[in-house]
Amino acid sequence: DMKVTQMPRYLIKRMGENVLLECGQDMSHETMYWYRQDPGLGLQLIYISYDVDSNSEGDIPKGYRVSRKKREHFSLILDSAKTNQTSVYFCASSPGHNSDYTFGSGTRLLVI
Amino acid sequence: GDSVTQTEGPVTVSESESLIINCTYSATSIAYPNLFWYVRYPGEGLQLLLKVITAGQKGSSRGFEATYNKETTSFHLQKASVQESDSAVYYCALGDAGAKLTFGGGTRLTVRP
Repeated sequence: DMKVTQMPRYLIKRMGENVLLECGQDMSHETMYWYRQDPGLGLQLIYISYDVDSNSEGDIPKGYRVSRKKREHFSLILDSAKTNQTSVYFCASSPGHNSDYTFGSGTRLLVI
Repeated sequence: GDSVTQTEGPVTVSESESLIINCTYSATSIAYPNLFWYVRYPGEGLQLLLKVITAGQKGSSRGFEATYNKETTSFHLQKASVQESDSAVYYCALGDAGAKLTFGGGTRLTVRP
């Protein structure tokens, strides 16, 4: 079954804590993405990874970093979380350029 | 930059009524963007509903249709008769020359039984 798995599904953190969001895919897709989704704003691209250790900033990378050490895993890290990083985070993967994305179910993060 | 504007929700319609969700785009960096509609059902991730890569063509899936109109830069989503199971959030998106998708703000649809 082809899928993108995100962990955890829900997370509550205090301001200043570090946050690790995990994403895995079982399709050997080269490209992976992290988006955040806020009401009325649609999905905003945080980072793209074109393959292992080949990552590029998206539209809103400030306050985030990523890690991709294996093709099937892509992590999003928030060092010292801020309340304005409360959001729903979606991971996605695709086999290449302009291809159909496969999305995970999302991680709902609350920073208090 | 590129942008997508779609009908602001929430939209509520009764079962068997017709539906249109408007989507217009601005593709400043791409001559021929690919256009997509994604849907997110409660508790799930986004799923591709339909896509069209050629201007003038129509895409269809699950009774939904959308036509890529380059003249009006639009990609409106239509369905002749909605069902309660169509209740979801719908996102219009355009794809650039690379791997990036630019999404609209999403439209929450509720279908009354």
